[in-house]
Amino acid sequence: KAGVTQTPRYLIKTRGQQVTLSCSPISGHRSVSWYQQTPGQGLQFLFEYFSETQRNKGNFPGRFSGRQFSNSRSEMNVSTLELGDSALYLCASSSLEGSYEQYFGPGTRLTVT
Amino acid sequence: TQLLEQSPQFLSIQEGENLTVYCNSSSVFSSLQWYRQEPGEGPVLLVTVVTGGEVKKLKRLTFQFGDARKDSSLHITAAQPGDTGLYLCAGVDSGTYKYIFGTGTRLKVLA
Repeated sequence: KAGVTQTPRYLIKTRGQQVTLSCSPISGHRSVSWYQQTPGQGLQFLFEYFSETQRNKGNFPGRFSGRQFSNSRSEMNVSTLELGDSALYLCASSSLEGSYEQYFGPGTRLTVT
Repeated sequence: TQLLEQSPQFLSIQEGENLTVYCNSSSVFSSLQWYRQEPGEGPVLLVTVVTGGEVKKLKRLTFQFGDARKDSSLHITAAQPGDTGLYLCAGVDSGTYKYIFGTGTRLKVLA
C-alpha cells in the first residue's frame, strides 16, 4: 500500500497570507489527524477527521481549520499567518476512529517570513 | 490533561552500548505507542503496548508497559548508528480523547 502523502513538502509564506496543506491517507484509512511540530513545543495535536466529520480539536486558534473529503483526503488551512506558525505540519492516518496506531506522512515544512 | 514525560531528553552513546528510554505519566493509558522520527520525516510507528506488564520485542528493541499502565520503557541492546533519531511515546488522553505525544528523547549513536 502507498503511504500517507502530503503536499507540498516545503512552503515559504509571508505574514498575513493564508496557506492550504493537503494530505492523502493510506488507502482504506478513514481517520486523518493533523499535528504541528516545533522544536519548542514538540508534537501538538491540531484536529482529527473521520468520515468527513471533525471528531476532535486541539488548542489552536480559529485561524487553523481543516476539512475532509468523501475520499478521505484532507486539507488544512491556516489564515493570517504569523511568524510563530513556522513549523513542520504532519498528517497521520489511521484505520480506526480515535487515532490509535497512526501512520504519518513526511510532513510539510512551512516557513513564515 | 494527561502528560507524557520522557527521559532522558537527550542521549549520545557509542555504538554497541545499551540504553533505556522512559515514558511516564501520572494517569492510566489504555495503550501506548512508540514511534521513531528521523530528521525531515514523519514519525514511524514501532509498536503498541496494551496490557499492563506486557513486553514486546522488535529485534534489538524491547518495549515494556508498566503494570499499572502509567509508564513504559524502550530498551535498545547494542545500539547502532541507524538507531539515531527522535523517539516518541504516545497515547490517547482518557479525558479528552486527544492523541498526545511524549516530550521525546533524541538519541544519537556514534560509530
